[in-house]
Amino acid sequence: NAGVTQTPKFRVLKTGQSMTLLCAQDMNHEYMYWYRQDPGMGLRLIHYSVGEGTTAKGEVPDGYNVSRLKKQNFLLGLESAAPSQTSVYFCASSTLGTGDMWPQHFGDGTRLSIL
Amino acid sequence: AQKVTQAQTEISVVEKEDVTLDCVYETRDTTYYLFWYKQPPSGELVFLIRRNSFDEQNEISGRYSWNFQKSTSSFNFTITASQVVDSAVYFCALKGSGGSNYKLTFGKGTLLTVNP
Repeated sequence: NAGVTQTPKFRVLKTGQSMTLLCAQDMNHEYMYWYRQDPGMGLRLIHYSVGEGTTAKGEVPDGYNVSRLKKQNFLLGLESAAPSQTSVYFCASSTLGTGDMWPQHFGDGTRLSIL
Repeated sequence: AQKVTQAQTEISVVEKEDVTLDCVYETRDTTYYLFWYKQPPSGELVFLIRRNSFDEQNEISGRYSWNFQKSTSSFNFTITASQVVDSAVYFCALKGSGGSNYKLTFGKGTLLTVNP
């Protein structure tokens, strides 16, 4: 049981390049999330999805797009990478229902550097 | 709006000292859930505890204990007899039950360094 898997683990991009981060979960969770973690800022929600085919904006969505074509996958895209998007990105998934059924399950993170 | 405040940015202790990490939260929901996560130097996020708003009992798990006080909107975390392996960033998080019930709101984290 892999849980939440993020691909890739590390990436260096040049400003203006595009890329897609892949998140896959094998727990049949309805909800999936993308967070970014910056020093001194904690984790901030970028986008989330409450089910296959649905996505919604979080706190810091600008510069990112997402897609949830399959229940188990949640993709985060950077169309034109900027140095301000240098960060560690975490994907998470969770069940429906009350908080007693949580926590969110997190991937190991993707460290992304934009030069 | 929900908010989690971890006022202590960094704490440094010597091994075997007790240390308390503070967490203060704000929410308008009457039902909510509080969490603590640990992020060791390797970078992954490790779930430590969940507490719902109806359960104010304190909890102890080995050297870890949590003090939940609704009257002061606090959910503090104490490590007794700290060890070097406790060195990590610790995050407090809040999940509501209303319109924001789909997500966790995180504090900014407290970096704990335990020195030998």
